[in-house]
Amino acid sequence: AQSVTQLGSHVSVSEGALVLLRCNYSSSVPPYLFWYVQYPNQGLQLLLKYTTGATLVKGINGFEAEFKKSETSFHLTKPSAHMSDAAEYFCAVSDRGSYIPTFGRGTSLIVHP
Amino acid sequence: ETGVTQSPTHLIKTRGQQVTLRCSSQSGHNTVSWYQQALGQGPQFIFQYYREEENGRGNFPPRFSGLQFPNYSSELNVNALELDDSALYLCASSSGQFSYNEQFFGPGTRLTVL
Repeated sequence: AQSVTQLGSHVSVSEGALVLLRCNYSSSVPPYLFWYVQYPNQGLQLLLKYTTGATLVKGINGFEAEFKKSETSFHLTKPSAHMSDAAEYFCAVSDRGSYIPTFGRGTSLIVHP
Repeated sequence: ETGVTQSPTHLIKTRGQQVTLRCSSQSGHNTVSWYQQALGQGPQFIFQYYREEENGRGNFPPRFSGLQFPNYSSELNVNALELDDSALYLCASSSGQFSYNEQFFGPGTRLTVL
């Protein structure tokens, strides 16, 4: 079964600073990879996904992530944090051909003025 | 276009009771997945319904059951509630059964079991 690890339950950055949220997965075969954002009292919203093709994936709200097979990683970045980016971020992974995603435990992004 | 809606928003039950949660999928979507999100955790997949058939199940006991209707809305039923069932229950709809299809999540139902 797939597993996914998000390093750091909390990440704190200043407004305007680089955002880096880490995600590593366990599969030896490249899976499908996803990043979701969850604002308080809301459901999850897809930020971006990697299924095939270009390894640098651009998403909504200025976020992007790079699939690195050799490192089994899919870290999420944003060049300049905004206050509105403060939320919970979840990395998810799924075997190709599967119906079932496995989510990480989440990273809470805190943005300081 | 109406998004995914869930009802009720909050629910309080006592141990041993039964509960039914409801989800209306986004227009044009034929697949609904249900997730349990415990406090401070990521969502855990419960099961998926595709065109009214259960199409995949996570590591949840049979007292978690579901249903999908011809209009693709769905219900999650939990029997013999336990304290550990307290969580946010999320449903997500998509236009296909595979995980690469984008899932659109509802706001969730917060279940508290006393």
